[in-house]
Amino acid sequence: AQKITQTQPGMFVQEKEAVTLDCTYDTSDQSYGLFWYKQPSSGEMIFLIYQGSYDEQNATEGRYSLNFQKARKSANLVISASQLGDSAMYFCAMREVQSGRRALTFGSGTRLQVQP
Amino acid sequence: DTAVSQTPKYLVTQMGNDKSIKCEQNLGHDTMYWYKQDSKKFLKIMFSYNNKELIINETVPNRFSPKSPDKAHLNLHINSLELGDSAVYFCASSQEPGGNTIYFGEGSWLTVV
Repeated sequence: AQKITQTQPGMFVQEKEAVTLDCTYDTSDQSYGLFWYKQPSSGEMIFLIYQGSYDEQNATEGRYSLNFQKARKSANLVISASQLGDSAMYFCAMREVQSGRRALTFGSGTRLQVQP
Repeated sequence: DTAVSQTPKYLVTQMGNDKSIKCEQNLGHDTMYWYKQDSKKFLKIMFSYNNKELIINETVPNRFSPKSPDKAHLNLHINSLELGDSAVYFCASSQEPGGNTIYFGEGSWLTVV
């Protein structure tokens, strides 16, 4: 079974609008972490935001926020006021802390294109 | 200052050759990783080291051998390169326990011809 599912292969958004990128996860661990990374066309992996499973508040970092719904096992990324520079691949990832598996398991990614 | 640096960034080589990719982190982290990103952009863990000790070794051909001379360095050596090894290889690091930030290097683009 897929541990991380990103159902949107591609998304379009108008500049200055908000966009939500979906991510659902599957784990039996009680302690885990959820990450979002941005990969622009230049190829580097840029860390955006982190949410711990025990964090009660949704994580926010500037224009990025993570809409964490634990019961639904979803960790959607919300980008507010989209900019042309936000055009990139976005990856959701999970780390299962309780099982001791420190490595990230990634989703298949969503390609976001911001239109002027 | 680059936190996680990999060399080389681009590598084109012939089938059958042996090559190495080097990774260094200056974050003081104690855990390092190698990930492979295939042509469909899918990222998968290959290896992980914690304080020079191998802790994750996924199902990777034994032509791939990681080496960690110290906790700031994790190198990847690949023997007898095959066409299917063409990919982007990312090094990453984190501080354990906790590890709520995992930083990646810029990637090494390997093309086997």
